[in-house]
Amino acid sequence: GAGVSQTPSNKVTEKGKYVELRCDPISGHTALYWYRQSLGQGPEFLIYFQGTGAADDSGLPNDRFFAVRPEGSVSTLKIQRTERGDSAVYLCASSLTSGGAGEQFFGPGTRLTVL
Amino acid sequence: RKEVEQDPGPFNVPEGATVAFNCTYSNSASQSFFWYRQDCRKEPKLLMSVYSSGNEDGRFTAQLNRASQYISLLIRDSKLSDSATYLCVVNTDSGTYKYIFGTGTRLKVLA
Repeated sequence: GAGVSQTPSNKVTEKGKYVELRCDPISGHTALYWYRQSLGQGPEFLIYFQGTGAADDSGLPNDRFFAVRPEGSVSTLKIQRTERGDSAVYLCASSLTSGGAGEQFFGPGTRLTVL
Repeated sequence: RKEVEQDPGPFNVPEGATVAFNCTYSNSASQSFFWYRQDCRKEPKLLMSVYSSGNEDGRFTAQLNRASQYISLLIRDSKLSDSATYLCVVNTDSGTYKYIFGTGTRLKVLA
């Protein structure tokens, strides 16, 4: 079956621009997570959705970052006024269960480069 | 202090060796624990969950020590294909299902 997909796979943008990163979770998965991973580091939690609502957005670094999941399926991570420090791989994961023991399935990530 | 800490390595071991990684966590209320594997420039994939009583999956054994707040992963009879980064993952904030990843431990198995 189809796994988690993310588009685009690569995004190069200029400092100050706006970008949108899309995540298509596994069908039927109610939980969706966004992470950011820099070279040599583990994935850093950004935000978690349970259905349409953001259950925990404590990992968003500042108000330039925003994410939505309007119909409880596809999610979009939006970054305004990008900065060079935003360059990283942005990973999305989905999980079938709403509890804490569910396996997370990751997408291949979007590699964002801010020039 | 980081919420989840791992030795980044690299651990270079010969084929057939036994290697162990530890991971410490700071929140004593943490409830769920996992090891994920990440190959170079790929996404993380679940290797195994870690249960209170310890659990084994083939050549891999995971242990949880709540008193000392660490989890471990033991790999026996290492294969070249085990070369990867091993990520420790902890649910550190009960009720929100937010998962915190360690920096990962890099393993290289040498022929």
